[in-house]
This record gives sequence, C-alpha cells and structure tokens, in this order.
Amino acid sequence: EAGVAQSPRYKIIEKRQSVAFWCNPISGHATLYWYQQILGQGPKLLIQFQNNGVVDDSQLPKDRFSAERLKGVDSTLKIQPAKLEDSAVYLCASSRTSSPETQYFGPGTRLLVL
Amino acid sequence: AQSVTQPDIHITVSEGASLELRCNYSYGATPYLFWYVQSPGQGLQLLLKYFSGDTLVQGIKGFEAEFKRSQSSFNLRKPSVHWSDAAEYFCAVALSGGSYIPTFGRGTSLIVHP
Repeated sequence: EAGVAQSPRYKIIEKRQSVAFWCNPISGHATLYWYQQILGQGPKLLIQFQNNGVVDDSQLPKDRFSAERLKGVDSTLKIQPAKLEDSAVYLCASSRTSSPETQYFGPGTRLLVL
Repeated sequence: AQSVTQPDIHITVSEGASLELRCNYSYGATPYLFWYVQSPGQGLQLLLKYFSGDTLVQGIKGFEAEFKRSQSSFNLRKPSVHWSDAAEYFCAVALSGGSYIPTFGRGTSLIVHP
C-alpha cells in the first residue's frame, strides 16, 4: 500500500512570503494530522482532521497558519505570512481512526525561512 | 499536562553492543506509550507501543521496551545494535480516554561506531 505522500520535500522562502504544503494520506485513512518539528525537538501537533472536520487545532497559530481537508482526503497547510521561527519540518501523518493506533508519517517538508 | 522526558540527547554505542534509551513521563494515569524512529530525511516510523497488558513489549527491528509504572518509565532496549540503527529515537505519550494525540519527547540521537 502506498504511504503518506507530501510535497514539496524542500522549500526556501523569505519572511513575510506565503507557502503551502500538500499531503495525501494512506487510502481509507479517516484521520489526518499535521505536525511541526523544529530542529532538535520532537514533533508538535498543529491540527488533526477526522474526515473533513477539524478535531483539534488548539496549537495552530491561526493568525498565520491555516489548513483544510475539503473532501476528507488530501490536505493543504498554509503559512501566510511566514516568520523566521516557522523554519521547521512539517510532517503529515494519517491513521485509520482517531483511536490510539498507529499513525503513519510522511517524509515531511523541510521549510527554511530567510 | 503530560510531559515526556528523554534525558539523553546523544547516545554513542559500538556495533554489536547493547542499547537502552531512557524515557520518563509525567502523568497521573497510565498513558499510551510509543517509541518512534526517524532516519535522516525520513518521517517517523513506529517501533512499538504499549496500551495495556504485558509490560514488556516487543517491536520491530529487534527492539523491545518495558513499562514500569512505579518509575513512570518506558525505556527502549536492543540487545545488539547494528550500524543501520543509527537514527533519532522519539518517545511519545498519549492520554488514555482523551484525543489520543501523542506528546513527543525531544528525541535521542543514536550514533553507532563500527
């Protein structure tokens, strides 16, 4: 079975620019997660979707970050405008349900904000 | 709020030697516990998980972990390390009965000497 796909793999932008990341979860997985992983730290959840609804976005900086999963399949995470401190790896993960089972992670998008 | 502590930032072992990576958590109840591995440029892969039952959990790639309630620990072990085990290892904790979103430790970088 195909894994979680993410694009682009790398992105370099200047501060105040906007950027978007795309994620396609494993087929049939209802739950999708976006994590931010700053260098030297563990991943931190930004937002969790169950199908096309948001379950948890309490740690999403909503003044600049937005995410959507309109059809309950693939998802887009956007940052506008970007700040230097947004430099990180953005990981997408999916699972069959939201109960405590295995999350499958994509390879991530490495963002550098200059 | 729950927290996860991985006290060792780096661990260096010789190939063939045994390995133990430490993980302590802070939470009143027994949480769900996970160990993930992240190779350079890759997403996270689940090594093993503990939800309930036998406190000694077997995972993939020859890893095991033991849940010790009295010490609030979930240490990862491997009897003989291979050079391919060099990677970043993350312990994670999720609330039981909650949203099951894991909180990750900062990670331990494993270096394997030939």
